Parts: sequence; structure tokens; C-alpha cells
Amino acid sequence: AQSVSQHNHHVILSEAASLELGCNYSYGGTVNLFWYVQYPGQHLQLLLKYFSGDPLVKGIKGFEAEFIKSKFSFNLRKPSVQWSDTAEYFCAVTPGGYQKVTFGTGTKLQVIP
Amino acid sequence: NAGVTQTPKFQVLKTGQSMTLQCAQDMNHEYMSWYRQDPGMGLRLIHYSVGAGITDQGEVPNGYNVSRSTTEDFPLRLLSAAPSQTSVYFCASSGQYNEQFFGPGTRLTVL
Repeated sequence: AQSVSQHNHHVILSEAASLELGCNYSYGGTVNLFWYVQYPGQHLQLLLKYFSGDPLVKGIKGFEAEFIKSKFSFNLRKPSVQWSDTAEYFCAVTPGGYQKVTFGTGTKLQVIP
Repeated sequence: NAGVTQTPKFQVLKTGQSMTLQCAQDMNHEYMSWYRQDPGMGLRLIHYSVGAGITDQGEVPNGYNVSRSTTEDFPLRLLSAAPSQTSVYFCASSGQYNEQFFGPGTRLTVL
């Protein structure tokens, strides 16, 4: 069964700092990869997804992620964070052709004004 | 479109009580899922359905039942609530690339 690891549990940044959140998965075949964001008290919303093609994926709100197949990684990046980016971020994976999604345990991002 | 809707938003139960969490979607998605979210554990899959009449167990199915009589509805039943089932429950339906569309969640407390 596939698994997802998010090694950073809690990240604190000042506004305008750059962000990179790590995500590694364990599955040898083709995968669909996702990042979701959960603002306090809300449900998860899709930030971006990768299913094929260009490994650099751009999402909403200035976020992007790069799929590196050789490293089984799908790290999330943003050049300059804002206070409004304070939220919990979840990486998720589903093997290509299947529908069950496995989520990481999440990374809480706190942005200090 | 309303997307994915869930009721109730909040619920308090006593140990041993039963209840049904409702979930509906209007996107005509075949695949639907129930997750529970607990601090530090991410989202864990309880049950899922690949279409009307077809359901299967996820990672943490014990104590929960589901049914799928229509494409739109996917209720989750707690048979005999236990304090370990205190959690936030999310229903989701899947888009074309398995991206999940989540409902607003139900915060359940079992005393």
C-alpha cells in the first residue's frame, strides 16, 4: 500500500519568507499527486495536482510543486508567504488508475506578520 | 452547484448511541469517501464507494457502516458510538483525476 510522509509538522515563517514543504511517497508506479490546504475551522481545498506532463505544477494563490520521480517527492513551494497562508497543508497520493487516496499527516504553517 | 454537503455540522452523542451522518453531492461523481481527521494523524479513510450499490472498507472501518443507494447520497452510520470516535468527519467525492471535493465536515463528540 502507498504511504505519504510529510516530515515538517510545524513551520513558522515571517511574511515574505520563502516556503518549501516536503512530501515523499512510497509507490513504484505512476501516481497522481495533490496538495490540499485547510484554513482554520474549514474543510480541505485543493491547491494543485499533478497527473502527467510538466513536473512543475502551478496552483492557486501563487503555490507551485515539483514532481521529482527519482526522489519520490512532490514538494510544495511559494516564493513569498503572506499572513493569510497560515493553514495546514496536506500532501496526498493515489496510484494511477486507482481511486483510493492516501494523505500525509499534514504540516501546520504559521506566518508571522 | 452546492458541491458536497454534510449534515449535521456539530453533534454530541453519549456512548452507545447511534446516529447517521448525511452526505450528498450534486456533481454526478461516482466515487465518494468518508474520512476522519484527528490531530497529528491527517485524514484516514473509513469507507468508500465506487458507485451506487458498491461500497468497501478503508483504513479504519470498525464501528461504521455505509450504504450507497443513489449516486448523490452516501450516509455514514455509527452503530454504537464510543469516545474513540470523537473526531471531525469529512465526506468527499472524486473528480476526474481523483482530486477530492470535500464537504464542510461534521464535528462529533462522544461522551
